Amino acid sequence: AQSVTQLGSHVSVSEGALVLLRCNYSSSVPPYLFWYVQYPNQGLQLLLKYTTGATLVKGINGFEAEFKKSETSFHLTKPSAHMSDAAEYFCAVTHQGAQKLVFGQGTRLTINP
Amino acid sequence: SAVISQKPSRDICQRGTSLTIQCQVDSQVTMMFWYRQQPGQSLTLIATANQGSEATYESGFVIDKFPISRPNLTFSTLTVSNMSPEDSSIYLCSVSQLGDTQYFGPGTRLTVL
Repeated sequence: AQSVTQLGSHVSVSEGALVLLRCNYSSSVPPYLFWYVQYPNQGLQLLLKYTTGATLVKGINGFEAEFKKSETSFHLTKPSAHMSDAAEYFCAVTHQGAQKLVFGQGTRLTINP
Repeated sequence: SAVISQKPSRDICQRGTSLTIQCQVDSQVTMMFWYRQQPGQSLTLIATANQGSEATYESGFVIDKFPISRPNLTFSTLTVSNMSPEDSSIYLCSVSQLGDTQYFGPGTRLTVL
């Protein structure tokens, strides 16, 4: 079975500061990993994904994440936070042929002016 | 990615009634899914909607409570039957095209009084 743990249900950073949202996964097979963002009163939008190949993946809105197999991690980062980044962020895992996505509990990101 | 719409976007219903939620995609997709997001929670997969056959339900979800139809490759419905306040949630459909990435609709916000 696969699982995802997001450390920190709430993260607060100042505008312009580094954003780091943590995601650790458990999987007995090579994982496919995703970050989604949910703005208030909206559905989920795909930020970025890792399936195979380069372990550092870049997504929309300046976000990136690095797949580290040895640490079973897929942390999301952004060098400089913007007020518009305030949202709920979800990490999810699946694997090739599985279809089913397993989500973490989510991290609410707050940006302080 | 596909453009996904859901109807209704929100609704307030009385307990004991049923609500049917529609999910429409602007192109044919191989996989369609239905998720529930309870207040302040992450997403939980309800079922995979199979075209021309019965949906595949996850543990804890049954067809009598959440009947699902998928008459073609661009449309699916989820019915929430005999509703109670515990059914108040956001219901989201997602689609996947032959591969690993799921794209989500905007969600339907349901409140049951």
